Amino acid sequence: GDSVTQTEGQVTVSESKSLIINCTYSATSIGYPNLFWYVRYPGEGLQLLLKVITAGQKGSSRGFEATYNKEATSFHLQKASVQESDSAVYYCALSESGGSNAKLTFGKGTKLSVKS
Amino acid sequence: EAAVTQSPRNKVAVTGGKVTLSCNQTNNHNNMYWYRQDTGHGLRLIHYSYGAGSTEKGDIPDGYKASRPSQENFSLILELATPSQTSVYFCASGDTGNTGQLYFGEGSKLTVL
Repeated sequence: GDSVTQTEGQVTVSESKSLIINCTYSATSIGYPNLFWYVRYPGEGLQLLLKVITAGQKGSSRGFEATYNKEATSFHLQKASVQESDSAVYYCALSESGGSNAKLTFGKGTKLSVKS
Repeated sequence: EAAVTQSPRNKVAVTGGKVTLSCNQTNNHNNMYWYRQDTGHGLRLIHYSYGAGSTEKGDIPDGYKASRPSQENFSLILELATPSQTSVYFCASGDTGNTGQLYFGEGSKLTVL
């Protein structure tokens, strides 16, 4: 089956420093999955941060970026300068491209703590 | 206005009791999903639905039932709750044939004693 592996556990970064959360995927039934980063802020539900459905393309939102690298099967999340408000749990996810059933397969989540 | 709302937000149940988690969406999406989130596991799909009257098993359906009586409502039912079902449950909705973007509720925290 499909799987997503991302930086595990908690990551602590000082404010204004750069961030990278690694994500690699295995899509055994599909060649070109759609890739997502979701974020869960404290006390809230998950919300979409960014998505990319075309290999080679880059998605960006709120200063975060991720590039769909088909050769490396990776979709790493990066930000040049984090803020305290970025503290949250980040999930990498994939889904089949096309079709009527858009099930998401999630990674285990990475908790980001930004310290001032 | 929140488009996916879950109830209850917090629930304490006893082992062997029946628990129903409810979800309502105003997105008019055909697909709805129930996930659970546990530390060390991320989100795992329990049941999903393509529309009213439809329910499908996800990756971890054992011990859970689902009901989709209408486009807007999707319930998750634990007939005989166990402590291993203590978790945070998320409902989501999404369009048929879309790229896979889902819209989540705020979560329901269930504790089974």
